[in-house]
Amino acid sequence: NAGVTQTPKFQVLKTGQSMTLQCAQDMNHEYMSWYRQDPGMGLRLIHYSVGAGITDQGEVPNGYNVSRSTTEDFPLRLLSAAPSQTSVYFCASSYSRAGYGYTFGSGTRLTVV
Amino acid sequence: ELKVEQNPLFLSMQEGKNYTIYCNYSTTSDRLYWYRQDPGKSLESLFVLLSNGAVKQEGRLMASLDTKARLSTLHITAAVHDLSATYFCAVDMEYGNKLVFGAGTILRVKS
Repeated sequence: NAGVTQTPKFQVLKTGQSMTLQCAQDMNHEYMSWYRQDPGMGLRLIHYSVGAGITDQGEVPNGYNVSRSTTEDFPLRLLSAAPSQTSVYFCASSYSRAGYGYTFGSGTRLTVV
Repeated sequence: ELKVEQNPLFLSMQEGKNYTIYCNYSTTSDRLYWYRQDPGKSLESLFVLLSNGAVKQEGRLMASLDTKARLSTLHITAAVHDLSATYFCAVDMEYGNKLVFGAGTILRVKS
């Protein structure tokens, strides 16, 4: 099993450009979520999904869109990149049943210039 | 709004010493997670604590949860250099998706 796969690993964007960060999991997890990590602030939740067709906003959703058309995939779209979106982005997935933790992807390091 | 506070934020310790990292959270929850992160890497799950009084141990690390005090601790016994990393605690607001993280504790173990 690959676990949670994120692509790309690194990306540089110009201000105003758009892009999609990809996230795929092969563990049949119901729940998937996106976090951003900034120095000294831990990880903050951007958007999350409890199943295909269902998404909701987290703590810092502005400037990002998500969709979940399949159980496996949960892409994160940056609509118009801004320097404030320079960060490391992590995708995570988990089972809906208690007792299981979250599995994180390897991360995408995004720089907006 | 759930807030999670870790302390200390930076810890420099000698090999062989013991120390504890504290994680306080502001609202009721009985699901707490500890993660380790090495520089430039992803988060590695260390412990999943799901009930009051839960205690789990793995090697030189032991984690506990007191839901009444809204406190979790990560105890390090006889530290070794390989434990140098950043440690995060995270609390579930509602199971499945709403993890709220502490700011992380940067641990440096000096030989």
